[in-house]
Amino acid sequence: QKEVEQDPGPLSVPEGAIVSLNCTYSNSAFQYFMWYRQYSRKGPELLMYTYSSGNKEDGRFTAQVDKSSKYISLFIRDSQPSDSATYLCAMSPDNTDKLIFGTGTRLQVFP
Amino acid sequence: DSGVTQTPKHLITATGQRVTLRCSPRSGDLSVYWYQQSLDQGLQFLIQYYNGEERAKGNILERFSAQQFPDLHSELNLSSLELGDSALYFCASSPSVARTENTEAFFGQGTRLTVV
Repeated sequence: QKEVEQDPGPLSVPEGAIVSLNCTYSNSAFQYFMWYRQYSRKGPELLMYTYSSGNKEDGRFTAQVDKSSKYISLFIRDSQPSDSATYLCAMSPDNTDKLIFGTGTRLQVFP
Repeated sequence: DSGVTQTPKHLITATGQRVTLRCSPRSGDLSVYWYQQSLDQGLQFLIQYYNGEERAKGNILERFSAQQFPDLHSELNLSSLELGDSALYFCASSPSVARTENTEAFFGQGTRLTVV
């Protein structure tokens, strides 16, 4: 079993929809949780950074961490075609330690 | 543009060969991370260097090695290549050894390695 599980998709939604992306994990020591966006033929770019449990909002993006369920989510409101990309969750027990990535969920937002 | 430069962008080589991938970090960044991204395994951490010293090691094969030079650029050496080594190899850099929201790593565009 992988330490981090992520549905690969693809997830196809119409423009304006609310998108929910999720990851589950098995290591209860994880404290730092991140979401990256990766466009085709590009490197990943950091979207959201969260420490421990709770919610964090940044514009149309909201990250949630539920450590009791070992479950993290990324919500995208009012999705746009430019949001079409692969979204990777990543986590680490320590902010100096290696990141463990999910395999990514491919999102397509159609006009 | 993240400011992290990787060369070459594409590389095709035969099994058993050796290749070197190069990474120039963002100006001022002391940490360099190497990752491998394949379709079945996703993005996997290989190794981190900080100011010339190896800092953390992940799932890096013994056939692979890396170093960071005094000018802070880094090279990833892959030897005795196998078909399964075909993947995207990413370099990322950050200012410090610890990752915080303001010092998180920026990724380069990657080197696509194809082993035939």
